Amino acid sequence: EVQLVESGGSLVQPGGSLKLSCVASGFTFSNYWMDWVRQTPGKSLEWIGEINTDGSKTNYAPSIKDRFTISRDNAKSTLYLQMSNVKSDDTAIYYCTRRNIGTTFAYWGQGTLVTVSS
Amino acid sequence: DVVLTQTPPTLSATIGQSVSISCRSSQSLLHSNGNTYLNWLLQRPGQPPQLLIYLVSRLESGVPNRFSGSGSGTDFTLKISGVEAEDLGVYYCVQSTHAPLTFGSGTKLEIK
Repeated sequence: EVQLVESGGSLVQPGGSLKLSCVASGFTFSNYWMDWVRQTPGKSLEWIGEINTDGSKTNYAPSIKDRFTISRDNAKSTLYLQMSNVKSDDTAIYYCTRRNIGTTFAYWGQGTLVTVSS
Repeated sequence: DVVLTQTPPTLSATIGQSVSISCRSSQSLLHSNGNTYLNWLLQRPGQPPQLLIYLVSRLESGVPNRFSGSGSGTDFTLKISGVEAEDLGVYYCVQSTHAPLTFGSGTKLEIK
């Protein structure tokens, strides 16, 4: 069974940094592109970015580019999202997702909550 | 960015009723490789979204066949043929033809 378990969410002050993790199990992690998606308190969904199978290629949404970095450790079956210079608008539930052939967002974790507030 | 406009924003249905949700894109979602990367997701209360349909009309494994997707270019439709109680939640369309990937604003399905 495919499982994605996010962690690392917490209360962080504006301008601060945070690193989220997503541990994958039930499949060969190194074979799949992965994405991060967030859902704001207003409930809208926003794609953050993607990473290829070996971590050599990443793409980001323009709204977060240069502040967030996606990486992965295939030996640990873990996906990461490094967040820096966070803003109040970054308050959201952060999900990691896995692709399948022909589709994005085939599998979702339960999410981890990040709250940006002073 | 591609804007996906979903209608209606809310939908109220009785058990057994058939309903449709529209998703219109600000530009064609036909990729140069011939595929159209338009998915439908369902987010039940308190749960993460789950994939229902991908590539416009392909049913994800395990999804009941009362769900169907159709459309092309800029106009897409999700149909539920015979709503069941477990179908309540928010439905989203999402495109991955053009970067950045974008989501519709959602359609909330309520059961009468």
